[in-house]
Amino acid sequence: QQQVKQSPQSLIVQKGGISIINCAYENTAFDYFPWYQQFPGKGPALLIAIRPDVSEKKEGRFTISFNKSAKQFSLHIMDSQPGDSATYFCAAKKTGRRALTFGSGTRLQVQP
Amino acid sequence: DAGVIQSPRHEVTEMGQEVTLRCKPISGHDYLFWYRQTMMRGLELLIYFNNNVPIDDSGMPEDRFSAKMPNASFSTLKIQPSEPRDSAVYFCASSLEYGVDTEAFFGQGTRLTVV
Repeated sequence: QQQVKQSPQSLIVQKGGISIINCAYENTAFDYFPWYQQFPGKGPALLIAIRPDVSEKKEGRFTISFNKSAKQFSLHIMDSQPGDSATYFCAAKKTGRRALTFGSGTRLQVQP
Repeated sequence: DAGVIQSPRHEVTEMGQEVTLRCKPISGHDYLFWYRQTMMRGLELLIYFNNNVPIDDSGMPEDRFSAKMPNASFSTLKIQPSEPRDSAVYFCASSLEYGVDTEAFFGQGTRLTVV
């Protein structure tokens, strides 16, 4: 049972464009929603995170949009750069737990 | 701090052999997690510890898998006997206990190939 559904599986964007990755969840016990970035041969690293009491969080070129009623959240990468080419995972954490449940990942390729 | 350290980085073993993966969490972190990453199943939680005590091992696939954390600075994940379907990248991560939104820091992973 996939608790966090992520799409698309892969994404190709031109340099300077906007990359958008979407995630949806069912369990209302989730209270923390991070996005992780993973480069080949490396472990995932936290990129940005949001809690459900906010609808949007922005850090530099990266923005999370959160729709609590729809149980969806998305990552927007503005002015995408070739250096952003990586695999992106959305995740969610249940109240009272520390472990993260990850989405299936999106492989982003930003073309020069 | 050097971050989460995993060893070995790569492991190739024959089916039926015992495999031990090792992890040194970031000093002072109270939580330690073992994840497995495959193309088919993505990143799956296997087990996690709090202050060296296993909290949730429901993700451990079979009795062939076992994990220990004898002290705050060391954990092992053992597979005995190993099977080809265990081939994956195994990640260890650690985080602090205090703070609601504490970040999980991942190691670089161990790529396991069972032939």
